[in-house]
Amino acid sequence: GQQLNQSPQSMFIQEGEDVSMNCTSSSIFNTWLWYKQEPGEGPVLLIALYKAGELTSNGRLTAQFGITRKDSFLNISASIPSDVGIYFCAGRPFGGSNYKLTFGKGTLLTVNP
Amino acid sequence: DGGITQSPKYLFRKEGQNVTLSCEQNLNHDAMYWYRQDPGQGLRLIYYSQIVNDFQKGDIAEGYSVSREKKESFPLTVTSAQKNPTAFYLCASSTPEGQDKNIQYFGAGTRLSVL
Repeated sequence: GQQLNQSPQSMFIQEGEDVSMNCTSSSIFNTWLWYKQEPGEGPVLLIALYKAGELTSNGRLTAQFGITRKDSFLNISASIPSDVGIYFCAGRPFGGSNYKLTFGKGTLLTVNP
Repeated sequence: DGGITQSPKYLFRKEGQNVTLSCEQNLNHDAMYWYRQDPGQGLRLIYYSQIVNDFQKGDIAEGYSVSREKKESFPLTVTSAQKNPTAFYLCASSTPEGQDKNIQYFGAGTRLSVL
């Protein structure tokens, strides 16, 4: 089935640093979603993107729907300790079911105070 | 508060035993999903339901069963045929319409372990 390549797999940064992560696919997607999961909890939606080139912010988080429709990026500015968690990208392939999402394997973020 | 409630938070299964994980939502969503999460892995779809009394197999349905008798509820049974059930199970729901179209919202998860 469809696969999303999410990178990096993990990041260890100092508080205050900016963070970038991305997801790529071999095929076109028409929806990109970014979730954050904290230990022992379910994923929580951060940002939803629906149009190629779309740039959306949520506080210190900014995500972009790649112009090729095959990738998406998430940036976190001025990281703080509570940013720790696993960040997942998810997408709906063009022509795919309205009900099924494809998920990346996640980026584990650790922030050193 | 609207949301998705999964219970129990922790569950232990003995060899040969069937166990059922509960998922209830009050978001009035038509679609519900079950995912399995293993360490370092993405989410793998077990079953999903687009509407009451209907459900489809996902990518790893073997050893699992579901029912959808009510819009609000989508219980997952892990049967004895599932030989490696230890994992974190996540339930989600979505609506095909409106501002939140096709966004899946998740419960807090159930961690299943084998005794």
